[in-house]
Amino acid sequence: AQKVTQAQTEISVVEKEDVTLDCVYETRDTTYYLFWYKQPPSGELVFLIRRNSFDEQNEISGRYSWNFQKSTSSFNFTITASQVVDSAVYFCALSEMYYGNNRLAFGKGNQVVVIP
Amino acid sequence: NAGVTQTPKFQVLKTGQSMTLQCAQDMNHEYMSWYRQDPGMGLRLIHYSVGAGITDQGEVPNGYNVSRSTTEDFPLRLLSAAPSQTSVYFCASSYVGRDNYGYTFGSGTRLTVV
Repeated sequence: AQKVTQAQTEISVVEKEDVTLDCVYETRDTTYYLFWYKQPPSGELVFLIRRNSFDEQNEISGRYSWNFQKSTSSFNFTITASQVVDSAVYFCALSEMYYGNNRLAFGKGNQVVVIP
Repeated sequence: NAGVTQTPKFQVLKTGQSMTLQCAQDMNHEYMSWYRQDPGMGLRLIHYSVGAGITDQGEVPNGYNVSRSTTEDFPLRLLSAAPSQTSVYFCASSYVGRDNYGYTFGSGTRLTVV
């Protein structure tokens, strides 16, 4: 069963618009970590944020913000005032400490295209 | 501090050939893993290890073999390459169960099997 679902495949926005990426996860573990990674056209995986299951505090970091809600098993990510350099594939990922034995499971990714 | 080093960066194989993708980390991470990335599929786990001498299968292990004789190295072996194994391969490592928990990825190996 898929543990991380990113429903939108490709999202196109005009520069300076906001874009929100949805992530829904599934787990039996009470201790788990959620991640967002960015993969620019150059191909490397860039770590953006980590949240553990006991920390539902949402955060804003520059133009990025995250909304973690355990009640709906969602960990959404927003880019405010998008720029062309934000064009990339964004992955949501889940690591379960007990049932998952620390394995990192990825969603299929969201291709974000920022149009100048 | 090199982090996670993958070699080679690019490789072309003929069907039936075998090869080993190398992965080394210098952060003393207990956990190491291999992923393959295919268009529209995200990253899928091939094999992983929670420490030297311990390995286990991930989501797509068929056609691949691993061993973990040291903490630093986690090579991935393709036993008999097939065109279906054309992909980009990523190695990752992490601490386990600590507050600074997080995964470090290598830069990837682009493999083409013809």
